[in-house]
Amino acid sequence: EAGVTQSPTHLIKTRGQQATLRCSPISGHTSVYWYQQALGLGLQFLLWYDEGEERNRGNFPPRFSGRQFPNYSSELNVNALELEDSALYLCASSQSWGGQPQHFGDGTRLSIL
Amino acid sequence: EDQVTQSPEALRLQEGESSSLNCSYTVSGLRGLFWYRQDPGKGPEFLFTLYSAGEEKEKERLKATLTKKESFLHITAPKPEDSATYLCAVQGQETSGSRLTFGEGTQLTVNP
Repeated sequence: EAGVTQSPTHLIKTRGQQATLRCSPISGHTSVYWYQQALGLGLQFLLWYDEGEERNRGNFPPRFSGRQFPNYSSELNVNALELEDSALYLCASSQSWGGQPQHFGDGTRLSIL
Repeated sequence: EDQVTQSPEALRLQEGESSSLNCSYTVSGLRGLFWYRQDPGKGPEFLFTLYSAGEEKEKERLKATLTKKESFLHITAPKPEDSATYLCAVQGQETSGSRLTFGEGTQLTVNP
């Protein structure tokens, strides 16, 4: 069974640019989650999508947004990039929500110059 | 607000030296407590889910236990390949939807 896949592996941008990160969940999983893991900090919850709808978002500014497609894949968009957005962005998926384990991809390393 | 605190921050063991990692939590109605392992440059790998106090789960050299306030990850006779960062996360029933709240992790190093 293929795991969660994320692309690209690495992404280098400059301040003010926009970044798009992509995620394909495990087959059969309908919920997709995005987390940020900045250096020296723990994983911080960004967004949760289920059945194509945004269900919950963490304490991040509106320039962090995303969507979920009919095939349950997802993309995360970050506008007006700032230096502190440099981090590992992790996508996870689960079979449903409410107590089900979330399975993670290996992330996209976003570096802002 | 859900909170998770892990201790110690870092732990060095000799191969075969058993020990325990601690995860203390506060949550508004526990939906589940999750343990993950994260290797450098990789995403977290799911290990266990615990749902209620008194529950225990085992996998090879790892055993996770749960009380109403904390969880322990016991590592028996560890090997160098067990070296990784171990993450604990909780999911609450009321305030957080389906999000996971993570601790900072325990970085485990097992020397041969």
